[in-house]
Amino acid sequence: GIQVEQSPPDLILQEGANSTLRCNFSDSVNNLQWFHQNPWGQLINLFYIPSGTKQNGRLSATTVATERYSLLYISSSQTTDSGVYFCAVGAGGTSYGKLTFGQGTILTVHP
Amino acid sequence: SQTIHQWPATLVQPVGSPLSLECTVEGTSNPNLYWYRQAAGRGLQLLFYSVGIGQISSEVPQNLSASRPQDRQFILSSKKLLLSDSGFYLCAVEDDYRGIYGYTFGSGTRLTVV
Repeated sequence: GIQVEQSPPDLILQEGANSTLRCNFSDSVNNLQWFHQNPWGQLINLFYIPSGTKQNGRLSATTVATERYSLLYISSSQTTDSGVYFCAVGAGGTSYGKLTFGQGTILTVHP
Repeated sequence: SQTIHQWPATLVQPVGSPLSLECTVEGTSNPNLYWYRQAAGRGLQLLFYSVGIGQISSEVPQNLSASRPQDRQFILSSKKLLLSDSGFYLCAVEDDYRGIYGYTFGSGTRLTVV
């Protein structure tokens, strides 16, 4: 199956700093999503981005499908950005919407 | 928009006891539904998925089973829990809005088997 590798595993920032999270995947995908898990465990979908670039407020994401990686940018980080960020990919076809998750990046933003 | 309900939020069960976790979805019909498990706060593992009533596919052989008795109801069960079944269980529904296949997750059930 597809392998998903996220880096860095842990990231500590001061409020206001910018950061880049990376997701590498081992095979072609037609589904790539970024999620944020808050300290209470709730997973929120940030982006559906199998290719191209999207922006939503202080967050943006870019996927270069031909090179099998995706980047999540967080600008002007806030303490509420803390949590775990997951990248998840799917190959589609008979896989329906099944996703393979990376191990996540734990982000801690200090005030 | 879709709403997904999952309960209970937390559960402590003794080894050997049965389990039933329920997930229901509102605001959509014939959704694809998924059960994931997260251990130790990192990485989600797909357990089961369903594309319709009575249709269940298992991803990982284990002590658990799933059923879909109604279009918008997905149930995760076990006849006899093991210590290794402890974890955070999440139900998800796949949105399909204009070809954008995003997931919406429920709030999860933290299961501790003692």
